[in-house]
Amino acid sequence: QLQLQESGPGLVKPSETLSLTCTVSGGSISSSSYYWGWIRQPPGKGLEWIGSIYYSGSTYYNPSLKSRVTISVDTSKNQFSLKLSSVTAADTAVYYCAVAIAAAGTIDYWGQGTLVTVSS
Amino acid sequence: DIQMTQSPSSLSASVGDRVTITCQASQDISNYLNWYQQKPGKAPKLLIYDASNLETGVPSRFSGSGSGTDFTFTISSLQPEDIATYYCQQYDNLPLNTFGQGTKLEIK
Repeated sequence: QLQLQESGPGLVKPSETLSLTCTVSGGSISSSSYYWGWIRQPPGKGLEWIGSIYYSGSTYYNPSLKSRVTISVDTSKNQFSLKLSSVTAADTAVYYCAVAIAAAGTIDYWGQGTLVTVSS
Repeated sequence: DIQMTQSPSSLSASVGDRVTITCQASQDISNYLNWYQQKPGKAPKLLIYDASNLETGVPSRFSGSGSGTDFTFTISSLQPEDIATYYCQQYDNLPLNTFGQGTKLEIK
């Protein structure tokens, strides 16, 4: 049973880079069974998939965010990370790390979510 | 990009009512469609996968149907604990995926 925990600053200034880390327990981030990803939810709004990374290092991003997003993996720490550059107030959201089953397409595991506010 | 149109955006119903939510894909996604329940302050929870399969441990009053572009999610007899927002999610080109806009379900 995977467990996920997001960490990172809760406040980011406009035009700066948002950086979050997801620590994985209960399984290896080198597993070929999963896509490791990020999903966000602006206050009072719906879910938006940001992107995912596979154990091979292949990355997949939402076309609407692709130019600003980088997802990477640190196998030594069993973590994966999100960087979102040039943030604006529109990037204020609860950010979830989430894991999809590669063979199924279901998002079976979620972190608790962390609120990131973009404000000066 | 595949777009998902979910309706209604909000719904008010009485305990015991049958509730139906629909999701329409902008192109054929076969049965690559999941349904999630999200309660306030919590992460979403998977209820239905591959359009019509009930996730283990989910009450049988929840069901899903459809294929291609048109999908339906049904609660056969609404219970107070079902108050939540429901989302469809397509994964036709996994890991790329898209969520519907969500349906907020309230008790009348």
